[in-house]
Amino acid sequence: QKEVEQNSGPLSVPEGAIASLNCTYSDRVSQSFFWYRQYSGKSPELIMSIYSNGDKEDGRFTAQLNKASQYVSLLIRDSQPSDSATYLCAVSDQTGANNLFFGTGTRLTVIP
Amino acid sequence: DVKVTQSSRYLVKRTGEKVFLECVQDMDHENMFWYRQDPGLGLRLIYFSYDVKMKEKGDIPEGYSVSREKKERFSLILESASTNQTSMYLCASSIQGHYYGYTFGSGTRLTVV
Repeated sequence: QKEVEQNSGPLSVPEGAIASLNCTYSDRVSQSFFWYRQYSGKSPELIMSIYSNGDKEDGRFTAQLNKASQYVSLLIRDSQPSDSATYLCAVSDQTGANNLFFGTGTRLTVIP
Repeated sequence: DVKVTQSSRYLVKRTGEKVFLECVQDMDHENMFWYRQDPGLGLRLIYFSYDVKMKEKGDIPEGYSVSREKKERFSLILESASTNQTSMYLCASSIQGHYYGYTFGSGTRLTVV
């Protein structure tokens, strides 16, 4: 069984700060990694994907991947109250069915 | 944009009823998935399908069945609803291949009384 671990939080940061969300995974052969944002009462929304070691930036979001250490992180710069949500880390299992294994999520609160 | 549509946003059913949850996607995705999401337990995979008429059990298939007669439609069936099946049900679809994330539907909050 593949494990995807996240700190459940809650993580609170002041508006304008950097929020750092972390995720570790157990399957060393995993190659594809995703971050989803889920607002309360809503469904998850894909915000970032990363496949190679290093950083990938998209606006205020940066995903970081370190396959040797089996962790992936999401940085949110200049955090806004609208970033308050639960962030889910997901890891692909490499099969053609593209099964994703999800962490239980980290709840982020950005304090105005 | 890919759209995944779940037929109902909220449902209330009685114990013992047969319940159908419908999901339709409009982007010709091969893969479709059904999850349930409960506080503290995260997303749990019930069933998935990677082709028409194909289905595979996920982590918690007991009490559920699925049907995929057409590529765009994936139905989840609760054979005899029970109160422990009260949950948020999420449908998702994706392209074949591990580089692609899922697109989720808006979810169906099912309450079994």
